[in-house]
Amino acid sequence: DTEVTQTPKHLVMGMTNKKSLKCEQHMGHRAMYWYKQKAKKPPELMFVYSYEKLSINESVPSRFSPECPNSSLLNLHLHALQPEDSALYLCASSQGGGARETQYFGPGTRLLVL
Amino acid sequence: GENVEQHPSTLSVQEGDSAVIKCTYSDSASNYFPWYKQELGKRPQLIIDIRSNVGEKKDQRIAVTLNKTAKHFSLHITETQPEDSAVYFCAASVYSTLTFGKGTMLLVSP
Repeated sequence: DTEVTQTPKHLVMGMTNKKSLKCEQHMGHRAMYWYKQKAKKPPELMFVYSYEKLSINESVPSRFSPECPNSSLLNLHLHALQPEDSALYLCASSQGGGARETQYFGPGTRLLVL
Repeated sequence: GENVEQHPSTLSVQEGDSAVIKCTYSDSASNYFPWYKQELGKRPQLIIDIRSNVGEKKDQRIAVTLNKTAKHFSLHITETQPEDSAVYFCAASVYSTLTFGKGTMLLVSP
């Protein structure tokens, strides 16, 4: 299996809702990433997990809470989001989180916050 | 931190022509340079990458060149086809993070 999968594909939520995004890979990768992508912009890094430990948090607001239950799974818990958080949320994985590693992206979850 | 500039922002070519997209980076410690293609509504997909110990790499119609001294790298697509139409992102990697350029929308007209 050479794919990164994400669920759900689309999500609409109100500003008071709590929801979670899920990402899964079965490539044996030990590093996983969350990116946010606004329309016509490049992906922006949010979080990096390496060997199930959070290694990078790019000053993301606390209404986004990542979780890595095991080496294959990555979640992003959402709470009290703002309309400007509407975007495509992409998950990616790579071998171990070191330098010069290829990152493979999932199809993304398109999030709309009302 | 790393800064990646990408040009042009839009590129229109006729089918069969060549297309060139250029990127510059700021951090001399960057040592990995992938290129991603993103079709509308789809995930970024790696099309080619180059590491800092190599000056050029080719895969069929796609090639990438790297000039570490000048801190720039370029994507070359020959014999373009309509299915090459997409947004292309260059990126530079320092340690484990990727910094992306702003993207180039390539339009290939039949």
